[in-house]
Formats: sequence, C-alpha cells, structure tokens
Amino acid sequence: DGGITQSPKYLFRKEGQNVTLSCEQNLNHDAMYWYRQDPGQGLRLIYYSQIVNDFQKGDIAEGYSVSREKKESFPLTVTSAQKNPTAFYLCASSSTPGRGNSPLHFGNGTRLTVT
Amino acid sequence: QKEVEQNSGPLSVPEGAIASLNCTYSDRGSQSFFWYRQYSGKSPELIMFIYSNGDKEDGRFTAQLNKASQYVSLLIRDSQPSDSATYLCAVMFTGGGNKLTFGTGTQLKVEL
Repeated sequence: DGGITQSPKYLFRKEGQNVTLSCEQNLNHDAMYWYRQDPGQGLRLIYYSQIVNDFQKGDIAEGYSVSREKKESFPLTVTSAQKNPTAFYLCASSSTPGRGNSPLHFGNGTRLTVT
Repeated sequence: QKEVEQNSGPLSVPEGAIASLNCTYSDRGSQSFFWYRQYSGKSPELIMFIYSNGDKEDGRFTAQLNKASQYVSLLIRDSQPSDSATYLCAVMFTGGGNKLTFGTGTQLKVEL
C-alpha cells in the first residue's frame, strides 16, 4: 500500500542532544513537508522540499535541519539549538508542487519529548 | 503575515444535526482551500478541497467558498458521534508555492 511512514512513533531525548526523525514515502510524490503541532495549536511549517536536492525554510526553521537526497526520503534533524523541541511532528507529501489542487497527505506523526 | 482564522470551539451539536464550521483567511488572492479532520493524537486526514466559488458536496460533507468575503465553511449533515474531532482549515496562499497555512482548528463534539 502507498503511504507515508514516519518513525519512530514516540521519541524521548535529553536536552542538548540532536535527534533525527525519519519520513519515507512511496507515493512517488515530488514535494515533501515537515510541520510541527503543539497542544491546542494548528500546524506550523518547518521546512519543505519541492524536488530532490532542494529545500526551503518554512515559518519556524530555526533549530532544525533537513536533507532531500532521495525522492522518497525527507529526514528532519532537531538540533540542540531548538529551544522548545517537545511537540508532535508531522511529515506530509503532495504530488505536484505549484498545483493548487494538490492536497497534502500526512504520515502518522512522531511525538518527540525532550527533558 | 498571511493568516487563517478559525473559532477554536468546542462546537457542540446533537447527533443528526448539521454542524457548520467556519474559516476566514487574509489573502484575497488565495486559490485553494482544504479541510482536514484530526482525531486526538492522530495525524490530519483530508476531507475535501475547494477552489471555485460556491458549494462542493461529497457525501455528508459540503464545502462552501466565498472569495469576495474571504470565507470558507464546512457543513456536516447528519452529524455522528464519530465526527467528533478537530477540523483544520488550510489555505494555499498565492505566491507561496505548494505549501499550506493552517488555522488552529475547531473542535467539534457530536452529542448523543
């Protein structure tokens, strides 16, 4: 079945450690995205990529980094510079960048807790 | 700053009633509008999208778009307890590539 796989589902880290969240899709989608969701809040865009080997900062990119070496994969690293990393992280993909009717499809999310 | 506004709720409706969820957005030139449903602790699921003025129906769901008023709504007919969730409105703003800006969501509770 086609879909977006995020792993792990839950992740616990100590403050000061970098951590990488995995996102893999087999939908053959060109565009991939990372959003963050805090309790009672909407989704905020961290980074997005419309094509392999290219990505752009979203609204809250500070303290995060990404890579897009393969079409299927878009890992997100939460660095120690991110001041409030505890959140629910959602990866998404869409088929046609720039097309207005190309909806985002989401993975199941990774819940990161940093103590 | 381009914004999407939703009433956080909760919006409570009795089972079988029509639930009406509303969303306003700041950019008059926006082209595409999406409604997602999110159950507690889960990821958002696409319900439907709309990009032409007027109504678009899909089963019990109807999206309504009024670009002049910068307003998009979602109607849920014959509401069921399983419809209890948070509904997120998302807008693709002009000149923003293929990325969506989300509202904070409206919590819907369908009561027996």
